[in-house]
Amino acid sequence: GAVVSQHPSRVICKSGTSVKIECRSLDFQATTMFWYRQFPKQSLMLMATSNEGSKATYEQGVEKDKFLINHASLTLSTLTVTSAHPEDSSFYICSARRDSGYYEQYFGPGTRLTVT
Amino acid sequence: GQQLNQSPQSMFIQEGEDVSMNCTSSSIFNTWLWYKQDPGEGPVLLIALYKAGELTSNGRLTAQFGITRKDSFLNISASIPSDVGIYFCAGGETSGSRLTFGEGTQLTVNP
Repeated sequence: GAVVSQHPSRVICKSGTSVKIECRSLDFQATTMFWYRQFPKQSLMLMATSNEGSKATYEQGVEKDKFLINHASLTLSTLTVTSAHPEDSSFYICSARRDSGYYEQYFGPGTRLTVT
Repeated sequence: GQQLNQSPQSMFIQEGEDVSMNCTSSSIFNTWLWYKQDPGEGPVLLIALYKAGELTSNGRLTAQFGITRKDSFLNISASIPSDVGIYFCAGGETSGSRLTFGEGTQLTVNP
């Protein structure tokens, strides 16, 4: 159990367009989902925490109007990168946690975003 | 915020050798988790530790939660080529809180 999927796995978009990334918990209900960004050879950088049915909490320095997060159900969260620029190119990874009684986060396979 | 110091940053070993890596913190954590990330993939949870002093194994992997609750180590015995990847430690202060991640240990295993 504890499988998390992400779609798409890779996306190339033109500068100025928007891209939506989906994160789904396949075999459990996720009260909380997290969105991370990872640069090459670096650790995971938390961008935001989203709880089902409420607004996401963004980390300092992350533009909430640029990285729109929606967690409409207990199995789905989406990250939309709006008006993408080349500097937004990165590896985006989501994770899901069952509920606040748990520590463990289960990660999706990641989405490689390239903005041209 | 919390910071984890993970070492070593990278390791180059021969197949069959044992490996040890660790994480230390200036603050107390209530849980320690160890993840492995393959290239181009998301991290996979290897071992979760919940109690100070706890020693837990998962196949050839063994991890311990330090008595002071400020450190943890991961050992891999008899390494094989598929052990290659980046290993991350993560600490949790309270259930429901975010995890704090170490910087990762890049493991290379030469056949």
